[in-house]
Amino acid sequence: DAGVIQSPRHEVTEMGQEVTLRCKPISGHNSLFWYRQTMMRGLELLIYFNNNVPIDDSGMPEDRFSAKMPNASFSTLKIQPSEPRDSAVYFCASRSSEVGELFFGEGSRLTVL
Amino acid sequence: AQKITQTQPGMFVQEKEAVTLDCTYDTSDPSYGLFWYKQPSSGEMIFLIYQGSYDQQNATEGRYSLNFQKARKSANLVISASQLGDSAMYFCAMRASGGATNKLIFGTGTLLAVQP
Repeated sequence: DAGVIQSPRHEVTEMGQEVTLRCKPISGHNSLFWYRQTMMRGLELLIYFNNNVPIDDSGMPEDRFSAKMPNASFSTLKIQPSEPRDSAVYFCASRSSEVGELFFGEGSRLTVL
Repeated sequence: AQKITQTQPGMFVQEKEAVTLDCTYDTSDPSYGLFWYKQPSSGEMIFLIYQGSYDQQNATEGRYSLNFQKARKSANLVISASQLGDSAMYFCAMRASGGATNKLIFGTGTLLAVQP
């Protein structure tokens, strides 16, 4: 079975550019999470969707960040404009039930110069 | 507020020995779940083991077991017979059930090095 699929795996961009990260959750999973991992702050939850509806976006850093889930099989995390402090690994994860474990994608490593 | 604390930034263990990674949590919810994940140097997050707050017995999965002490609010991971491939970052996480959310919050992790 295919796991959570994220793209791109690596992205290097310049400050001020728009960045779009993509995620395809595991088929049949109804919850999707976006996390950001940095050395300084560890794993931070950015936003969480349930049945395509954003449930908790309290972790989204600021208005430069936005996330969408137009259907059950696709989500995007957009940063516009990007800044060097956004450099991190961004993980997408999905879950089949309210109480189950999360299945993570391989992450998207973002470097903003 | 829910919180997960891992107080050991790094641990060493000799191959074939057992090691305990500490995790304490704080929540006012009577129903919660505790998870452990492994992150090797390649970066992927691998689910290891789960403990529900109402589970009567400690969870076990192969060489992994969870020492769940509810009164102390601790959920330590025990790895028996350590292998070189166990060298990785280990994260404790809690499913927080406050209000309408069931999000997973993570501790800061413990870096385990298994020595031959």
